[in-house]
Amino acid sequence: KAGVTQTPRYLIKTRGQQVTLSCSPISGHRSVSWYQQTPGQGLQFLFEYFSETQRNKGNFPGRFSGRQFSNSRSEMNVSTLELGDSALYLCASSLTSGLTYEQYFGPGTRLTVT
Amino acid sequence: GQNIDQPTEMTATEGAIVQINCTYQTSGFNGLFWYQQHAGEAPTFLSYNVLDGLEEKGRFSSFLSRSKGYSYLLLKELQMKDSASYLCAVFNNDMRFGAGTRLTVKP
Repeated sequence: KAGVTQTPRYLIKTRGQQVTLSCSPISGHRSVSWYQQTPGQGLQFLFEYFSETQRNKGNFPGRFSGRQFSNSRSEMNVSTLELGDSALYLCASSLTSGLTYEQYFGPGTRLTVT
Repeated sequence: GQNIDQPTEMTATEGAIVQINCTYQTSGFNGLFWYQQHAGEAPTFLSYNVLDGLEEKGRFSSFLSRSKGYSYLLLKELQMKDSASYLCAVFNNDMRFGAGTRLTVKP
């Protein structure tokens, strides 16, 4: 069974631009969660989607948004990029919702904002 | 607010047992996770506790006491490959992570 895939793996953007990251979950998994990891703040939860609906949300500004498609693939968008948005963005998939089931992480997208 | 505290670094010897503690103060609680993360890699799920007590999974066990806001991860028969960061996370409508404990296993 193929694992969680994320595209692109690396990305360089300029302040003020916007970016879209993609996550394809493990086949059959319906929940996708997004996380931001930085050396200073550690691992932080962004949001979780299940059946195309946002179920849980972390404490991030509205510049961070996401969506999930009917095939469970998910995208995350960050608008008006700031230098502090430079981070590793991870997504994880699981069978069902509520973050209570075993989650499988993808390799991440490393975003650099200059 | 929510505080999740765990030691920054620990060192142990190959073949030994190590216990990594996690204390939390949260406004709500729906479960506690432990993750392992090797340098440069994504986290991997180790355990999930929602009820008090010990959950055993091979060489790894996790304990939870909700009344004390306390959990620990127990690693037995340590191997060199267990050198990694171990993250404690509390779920309550969102997920809050501790800063992680960097474990070094020495021969």
